[in-house]
Amino acid sequence: EDKVVQSPLSLVVHEGDTVTLNCSYEVTNFRSLLWYKQEKKAPTFLFMLTSSGIEKKSGRLSSILDKKELFSILNITATQTGDSAVYLCVSSGYALNFGKGTSLLVTP
Amino acid sequence: DGGITQSPKYLFRKEGQNVTLSCEQNLNHDAMYWYRQDPGQGLRLIYYSQIVNDFQKGDIAEGYSVSREKKESFPLTVTSAQKNPTAFYLCASDIGHLHQPQHFGDGTRLSIL
Repeated sequence: EDKVVQSPLSLVVHEGDTVTLNCSYEVTNFRSLLWYKQEKKAPTFLFMLTSSGIEKKSGRLSSILDKKELFSILNITATQTGDSAVYLCVSSGYALNFGKGTSLLVTP
Repeated sequence: DGGITQSPKYLFRKEGQNVTLSCEQNLNHDAMYWYRQDPGQGLRLIYYSQIVNDFQKGDIAEGYSVSREKKESFPLTVTSAQKNPTAFYLCASDIGHLHQPQHFGDGTRLSIL
């Protein structure tokens, strides 16, 4: 059975800290791994990863995929209160599989 | 601006009632999806449609129905057969290839009176 497991499920940090969110997957016919940020409403797309070892970066956020070990990490440096959200990891294989999300709270 | 519009934002249902959630997109996407999100859970797929006049059951289709008469529209009906309908419902669309990012609507929160 395909599955995506995110850890930790929740995290509280202070502004300025660096955080690493984890996502492991077991997916038949893997195509890509996607990260989304969900605040109160619609998830917004962050990254799509298809190749192992190639870091994708957007401002203070970066992500990398390891297709041998079947995991991905999402890093956020110099966190801000606006980074508080649920971060969703999604694998694409025969279907889309969503992790339960990591709830990040950044305190002032 | 192109996007997905879900309505209403909040919906209340009485026991035994059917309710319909609207989802409209102007992105010219072929594929549309309905997800249910419960607290502490990931998104679970209810139904999806890859083309007009065709749709497929997802993982939790029981108690729900959909139609896809137009490319832009994919309404979801929560029937009285759905015993635990209180949840946050998200509609999404994409170009129809599984490894492309989806665009999401802002969601509808359904509660039972």
